[in-house]
Amino acid sequence: DQQVKQNSPSLSVQEGRISILNCDYTNSMFDYFLWYKKYPAEGPTFLISISSIKDKNEDGRFTVFLNKSAKHLSLHIVPSQPGDSAVYFCAASAGGQNFVFGPGTRLSVLP
Amino acid sequence: GAVVSQHPSWVICKSGTSVKIECRSLDFQATTMFWYRQFPKQSLMLMATSNEGSKATYEQGVEKDKFLINHASLTLSTLTVTSAHPEDSSFYICSARGRAPTSWTYEQYFGPGTRLTVT
Repeated sequence: DQQVKQNSPSLSVQEGRISILNCDYTNSMFDYFLWYKKYPAEGPTFLISISSIKDKNEDGRFTVFLNKSAKHLSLHIVPSQPGDSAVYFCAASAGGQNFVFGPGTRLSVLP
Repeated sequence: GAVVSQHPSWVICKSGTSVKIECRSLDFQATTMFWYRQFPKQSLMLMATSNEGSKATYEQGVEKDKFLINHASLTLSTLTVTSAHPEDSSFYICSARGRAPTSWTYEQYFGPGTRLTVT
């Protein structure tokens, strides 16, 4: 039973356009969410976080939106760059304890 | 920012031998360290959580006698894969969380990972 889902295994976007990566969760106790970026054979790199008291958090080109009623969050990357090509994981936790990771979405930004 | 290192980055060992992987937090004290495993094209699977000075908590289905975890200090955790078999070949990643309350309270910082190949 997947508590955190990323239903798009892959996504291709043209350079300069917006990338939107989606994540859905089932556990209503989750109140803290993270997005990570991972290159092959490397450890994940923290990107951005959001807690359930907010519905939006922005950091440079990265913005995360949280819709608690829909149990849905999304990561927007604007503008997308070729260096953004990687696998993106969302992760969720209840109270900042152990995080549950989604299966990841592979983003390809085409020049 | 918080830096976590892992050593070795890549190891090849023969079936039946044991391999130790080190995870270090370089610029902060990690009260909690996590060990993950990732198979190709799959998500990170949490294997165990370790708090400094106490026994690790293993996730369901993870053999604690096979994957020995030691969190001896606030900057070092080790994972030993005992009597390794080819099916243990995988990418092992550690992460660390700092002492609360800090800006890293809920954030885990990941090491670069260790590629284990058992022949």
